[in-house]
Amino acid sequence: EVQLVESGGGLVQPGGSLRLSCAASGFTFSNYDMHWVRQGTGKGLEWVSAIVTAGDTYYPGSVKGRFTISRENAKNSLYLQMNSLRAEDTAVYYCVRATNGFDYWGQGTLVTVSS
Amino acid sequence: QSVLTQPPSVSAAPGQKVTISCSGSSSNIGNNFVSWYQQLPGTAPKLLIYDNNKRPSGIPDRFSGSKSGTSATLGITGLQTGDEADYYCGTWDSSLSAWVFGGGTKLTVL
Repeated sequence: EVQLVESGGGLVQPGGSLRLSCAASGFTFSNYDMHWVRQGTGKGLEWVSAIVTAGDTYYPGSVKGRFTISRENAKNSLYLQMNSLRAEDTAVYYCVRATNGFDYWGQGTLVTVSS
Repeated sequence: QSVLTQPPSVSAAPGQKVTISCSGSSSNIGNNFVSWYQQLPGTAPKLLIYDNNKRPSGIPDRFSGSKSGTSATLGITGLQTGDEADYYCGTWDSSLSAWVFGGGTKLTVL
């Protein structure tokens, strides 16, 4: 059974940093592109970052230069390093596996940016 | 302001059919595959349709997808109260080099 379990969320002050982790199981992690998608309270889905099997990374303009996605295939783990956090980064962050579309989602971890 | 445009809400009676539209441009829907996601209250999104019109294993054939030009449509027949959820379309945008989602559509089964 495919499982994606996020951790590392919490309360952080504006300008601070946080590192999210995603533990993957039930599939060959190294064979799949992985993404982070976030959702503010009462808001829609927003794509945050992607890392493909070859290691190339992609970001939208809203987080480029502040967020870094990485993966450690030996540990079946995905990470998101978030720096210079802003209030508008407050959201539930989902770890997502991608094949044709986003076929498996974690339960999400809440990040709150507030003083 | 989402790159892909969806109606904020749709509604229909149990047993009826509903369609949800998703409008984009040549840089996204026009030249890339579209997928659809269902998000039940308090849960993570779930893949309903991929590659414009394909259903993952376990998704009933009451759900269908289609694409024409720069628009895509999700269809749901035989509506059930359990279908009440938010629905999102998504695709890759080649100009932005970014994955984009629609703003979401709330389905109410009256």
